[in-house]
Amino acid sequence: QKEVEQDPGPLSVPEGAIVSLNCTYSNSAFQYFMWYRQYSRKGPELLMYTYSSGNKEDGRFTAQVDKSSKYISLFIRDSQPSDSATYLCAMSGAQAGTALIFGKGTTLSVSS
Amino acid sequence: GAVVSQHPSRVICKSGTSVKIECRSLDFQATTMFWYRQFPKQSLMLMATSNEGSKATYEQGVEKDKFLINHASLTLSTLTVTSAHPEDSSFYICSARDSAGGGIEKLFFGSGTQLSVL
Repeated sequence: QKEVEQDPGPLSVPEGAIVSLNCTYSNSAFQYFMWYRQYSRKGPELLMYTYSSGNKEDGRFTAQVDKSSKYISLFIRDSQPSDSATYLCAMSGAQAGTALIFGKGTTLSVSS
Repeated sequence: GAVVSQHPSRVICKSGTSVKIECRSLDFQATTMFWYRQFPKQSLMLMATSNEGSKATYEQGVEKDKFLINHASLTLSTLTVTSAHPEDSSFYICSARDSAGGGIEKLFFGSGTQLSVL
């Protein structure tokens, strides 16, 4: 079993839809949970991160972490065509300098 | 915001040649930098952790003699792919952690290098 599992999609939705992206993981030592957005042949950019369990909201984006189920989610409300990209979940331990372990990424396409 | 500059963005080379990729932190110092490789429709796979002034730590399965990493200063790490072969063709991405501290938001990524070996 890979440390981080993420359905690669692709996921196609109409503009305005609510998008749900998910990852599962196996390493209980993970403490930081991140969502990155990556455009084709570009480096990933950090969207949101959560430390330990709980929810975090930033504008149209909501990140949820359920450590008991080893399951994290990213919700995008009122999706826009500009949200079309690949979304990568990533995780790391609590120690500074720990490398990130990434999911495979889910490709999202929002049509107008 | 902080910027990590990665060069070149794209390189095409002949099999057997060596290619050097540079990763620079432009407005912060980075004691630690990470090198990732990404194949099409795959996740970023950590290759090695680069620490300024010391030897890099390689992940299992990554050949240290093939992927030479030099982190000679607090703002520059280089990855050299030696004697490149077509199977080394991939997208290579570096990331740098701001030494001034902070959380995960202080980890910044370069824009990546697409290596194509003919």
